[in-house]
Amino acid sequence: AQSVTQPDIHITVSEGASLELRCNYSYGATPYLFWYVQSPGQGLQLLLKYFSGDTLVQGIKGFEAEFKRSQSSFNLRKPSVHWSDAAEYFCAVGLFAGGGNKLTFGTGTQLKVEL
Amino acid sequence: NAGVMQNPRHLVRRRGQEARLRCSPMKGHSHVYWYRQLPEEGLKFMVYLQKENIIDESGMPKERFSAEFPKEGPSILRIQQVVRGDSAAYFCASFTIKAGEGTEAFFGQGTRLTVV
Repeated sequence: AQSVTQPDIHITVSEGASLELRCNYSYGATPYLFWYVQSPGQGLQLLLKYFSGDTLVQGIKGFEAEFKRSQSSFNLRKPSVHWSDAAEYFCAVGLFAGGGNKLTFGTGTQLKVEL
Repeated sequence: NAGVMQNPRHLVRRRGQEARLRCSPMKGHSHVYWYRQLPEEGLKFMVYLQKENIIDESGMPKERFSAEFPKEGPSILRIQQVVRGDSAAYFCASFTIKAGEGTEAFFGQGTRLTVV
């Protein structure tokens, strides 16, 4: 069964600094990968997704992620963080293409932005 | 095009009562997931439904929990005889399947269930 690991439970960055959130997956074939963001009391919003092709994918709000098969990773990055980026970020794998019929989520990374 | 609609947004139930959570998928979507999120935890898969069919209920507790997605109307997650441990946020996501393409799941705002 596939699994997702987000090693960092909490991350604090200063506004304007760069950001990288780590995500590692365990899965035998090429997975479908996703990053979602959740603000307090809200639902999940899709930031970006990887299905195939170019391993560097661009998403909304200035985020990007890079799929590295050799490292089984799909880290999320942003060059300059804004205070409004403070939220919880979830990496997920699945939703077909051999990845099973469900989305499997990591435990999330809580991002705090210092002004 | 309205997104995934969940209601109610907040639900308070006394121990032993029934909780009924509703999810209206995005227009044209015939597949629905239900997830549960406990405080300080990630999202745990509960059930995958297609209209009139349960595809995967491997994440559903064996007792007190049931889900349906009828031909007409919203998907319903039903929790009978609620206990304090059922207090959580419950999220619904809908999607459609396109042959040969990847897809994405769209999430609702969730229903926050509090059992008192």
